[in-house]
Amino acid sequence: QKEVEQDPGPLSVPEGAIVSLNCTYSNSAFQYFMWYRQYSRKGPELLMYTYSSGNKEDGRFTAQVDKSSKYISLFIRDSQPSDSATYLCAMSPRTDKLIFGTGTRLQVFP
Amino acid sequence: DAGVIQSPRHEVTEMGQEVTLRCKPISGHNSLFWYRQTMMRGLELLIYFNNNVPIDDSGMPEDRFSAKMPNASFSTLKIQPSEPRDSAVYFCASRQLQGGSGNTIYFGEGSWLTVV
Repeated sequence: QKEVEQDPGPLSVPEGAIVSLNCTYSNSAFQYFMWYRQYSRKGPELLMYTYSSGNKEDGRFTAQVDKSSKYISLFIRDSQPSDSATYLCAMSPRTDKLIFGTGTRLQVFP
Repeated sequence: DAGVIQSPRHEVTEMGQEVTLRCKPISGHNSLFWYRQTMMRGLELLIYFNNNVPIDDSGMPEDRFSAKMPNASFSTLKIQPSEPRDSAVYFCASRQLQGGSGNTIYFGEGSWLTVV
């Protein structure tokens, strides 16, 4: 079993929809949780960063961490075609190496 | 500001040849990572350095892979001899260990390697 599991998708939604992306993990020592966005043929870029449990909001994006369930989510409100990308969750027990999910490919159509 | 710079962007080579991938981290960053990305396995950490010293190379697949960081502004990942199963995108990333953005890792645009 992988340490981090993520549904690869693809997920196809109409413009304006609310998108929910999720990851589960097995290592209870994970404390740092991140979401990266990767456009086609580009490197991943940090989208959201959360320490321990709770919610964090940044514009149209909300990240949630539920450590009791070992489950993290990224919500995108009012999705736009420019949000079409692969979204990777990442997590770490300490401030060193990150363990990534395999990524969920999202397509938002007009 | 210049981001993480990788070269070459694309490389096609024949099986058995040596491949050298290069990386220049963001100036002032003192932690450097090499990742490999494939459709099947996603992003895998190969090795990372703190202050030019290799800290964890447990992700390096086998002895054919080696990485060096001779100074704070340059790192190489070498594959010798290369095999078709090494075909992947290789990302270099860097981070500043101390400071408020201590966990933010910045990625380069990747080196797309095809071994035929």
